[in-house]
Amino acid sequence: GDSVTQMEGPVTLSEEAFLTINCTYTATGYPSLFWYVQYPGEGLQLLLKATKADDKGSNKGFEATYRKETTSFHLEKGSVQVSDSAVYFCALSDTGRRALTFGSGTRLQVQP
Amino acid sequence: GAGVSQSPSNKVTEKGKDVELRCDPISGHTALYWYRQRLGQGLEFLIYFQGNSAPDKSGLPSDRFSAERTGESVSTLTIQRTQQEDSAVYLCASSSTTGREETQYFGPGTRLLVL
Repeated sequence: GDSVTQMEGPVTLSEEAFLTINCTYTATGYPSLFWYVQYPGEGLQLLLKATKADDKGSNKGFEATYRKETTSFHLEKGSVQVSDSAVYFCALSDTGRRALTFGSGTRLQVQP
Repeated sequence: GAGVSQSPSNKVTEKGKDVELRCDPISGHTALYWYRQRLGQGLEFLIYFQGNSAPDKSGLPSDRFSAERTGESVSTLTIQRTQQEDSAVYLCASSSTTGREETQYFGPGTRLLVL
């Protein structure tokens, strides 16, 4: 079956540091890949997505590239802010299956 | 328009009681999903509706869990004879189509605590 593996958190960074959150996946078909973010006290929001190999999703300074050869979709940001503190979830939607398969989430804490 | 809404936002119940959780999807969205998020864990899929029918119920953990959708709109998730392991945040999502590329929009969730 499908699965998503994310790096364990929490990840603690200083403001303006470079962020990478690793995400790898296994899928039986040709999945679309997503990053969702959950800010403190708020609901889950789509951050970015990519629907085919080599696509790059980007939003709010975050980027992730769909790497089929390494089955990865790592999230990166060049300079994090305190306001980026949240839990980040990697997820996939596979061919023929409507449900999203989620990773366990990575908590990011950015210190001023 | 308005986003996905869920009610109640919080529910505390005693073990053995039944609970009903409600989801109002974004108007016009044909697909509706229920997920469960246990503390410190990722989201687990429960059930998916296309219109009023549920082609995928594979995530429902036991026969104590059921869901329905009416009028291609509101959905209700019912948990009978609640157990302490049912304590979690129950999230509803909707999308305008059902392709694998389609974005699911999530509600704020219902936090269920079973004592």
